[in-house]
Amino acid sequence: DQQVKQNSPSLSVQEGRISILNCDYTNSMFDYFLWYKKYPAEGPTFLISISSIKDKNEDGRFTVFLNKSAKHLSLHIVPSQPGDSAVYFCAAREDNDMRFGAGTRLTVKP
Amino acid sequence: DTAVSQTPKYLVTQMGNDKSIKCEQNLGHDTMYWYKQDSKKFLKIMFSYNNKELIINETVPNRFSPKSPDKAHLNLHINSLELGDSAVYFCASSQGDIYGYTFGSGTRLTVV
Repeated sequence: DQQVKQNSPSLSVQEGRISILNCDYTNSMFDYFLWYKKYPAEGPTFLISISSIKDKNEDGRFTVFLNKSAKHLSLHIVPSQPGDSAVYFCAAREDNDMRFGAGTRLTVKP
Repeated sequence: DTAVSQTPKYLVTQMGNDKSIKCEQNLGHDTMYWYKQDSKKFLKIMFSYNNKELIINETVPNRFSPKSPDKAHLNLHINSLELGDSAVYFCASSQGDIYGYTFGSGTRLTVV
């Protein structure tokens, strides 16, 4: 039972354009959401997070949007850079239990 | 200094063997975790320890046992390894809410 889903396994965008990565969840008890970025042969690194009491959080080129009624969150990267090419994991937390999506591989083309 | 370090990075072993994966964090975090990345790339939690107390134990076979000698270390012992145990195992730690978890680089276990 996957409580956190990333339905797009891959995404390709042109450098300078916007990248939008999507994530859906089913558990309404999740109170905190996070995005992680993972390069090959490395562990996931924390990117940005959002509390369930907010609908938007911005950090530089990265913005996370949360739509609680739709149980949907998205990560926007503007402008996209080749160094952003990686796998992005969405995660959701309830107490000390964190669930991850399967990840979306983002490729930013020069 | 690496914040969360796992050793070994690669581990190839035969079925039936017993092996251990070590994890150490120098962040002063209170909670440490073990995750298994399955063939579909999902990260599934296996164990977590908070101040030496097991607080999450998903339905993991009892061949897997976490050992935490202190709050900076959480080792994973696996007995009687099976082919299905082949996966990448990630150690992680956390403290507070804002910055999420810090992950190790992973250990790729291959059982042959």
